[in-house]
Amino acid sequence: GENVEQHPSTLSVQEGDSAVIKCTYSDSASNYFPWYKQELGKRPQLIIDIRSNVGEKKDQRIAVTLNKTAKHFSLHITETQPEDSAVYFCAASMGGTASKLTFGTGTRLQVTL
Amino acid sequence: KAGVTQTPRYLIKTRGQQVTLSCSPISGHRSVSWYQQTPGQGLQFLFEYFSETQRNKGNFPGRFSGRQFSNSRSEMNVSTLELGDSALYLCASSTRQGAGTGELFFGEGSRLTVL
Repeated sequence: GENVEQHPSTLSVQEGDSAVIKCTYSDSASNYFPWYKQELGKRPQLIIDIRSNVGEKKDQRIAVTLNKTAKHFSLHITETQPEDSAVYFCAASMGGTASKLTFGTGTRLQVTL
Repeated sequence: KAGVTQTPRYLIKTRGQQVTLSCSPISGHRSVSWYQQTPGQGLQFLFEYFSETQRNKGNFPGRFSGRQFSNSRSEMNVSTLELGDSALYLCASSTRQGAGTGELFFGEGSRLTVL
């Protein structure tokens, strides 16, 4: 089955700096890659997603890049703010839908003042 | 529009007991998925239901089961509880319209503690 590895497990950045979280997947048939943000004690929420026919996608301060050849994708957050502090999960699935997502183990991002 | 509702929010059981968790999806959403979240393993897929049929299943033992009703509400059951079943069980709903859909809307979860 699919396996998703996520690094780093913890990341601390100063406010205003950029943060990068990387994930690799094992199944070349995977074609949908969402990122979820989970604030402490709250539910995970989708922040951005990308499909395999696209190499990069941006939404304001957040961007995701996908390298299908290397089977890895990354989340980039620019101009980080304290409210970006949370656990971020990458995930992968086949069929272009959110069915049967395989999640990474999460990255705890801490944005310090 | 009301979000995904899960009940109960917290529960404590002892080994060997069984538990039933309930999930009400967002109105109009016909797909319901269940995930187990633990500190060490992250979120792991349990199963997905669409139109009362199980469409996908994760790698969990047969003690974990679920069902979906005609109003799209779903329940999951864990029998013969083990200590390792202690986790946050998250339900998520989506519209599932094929390749065009993507977002899962999660509930706040049911936190199960097995003693």
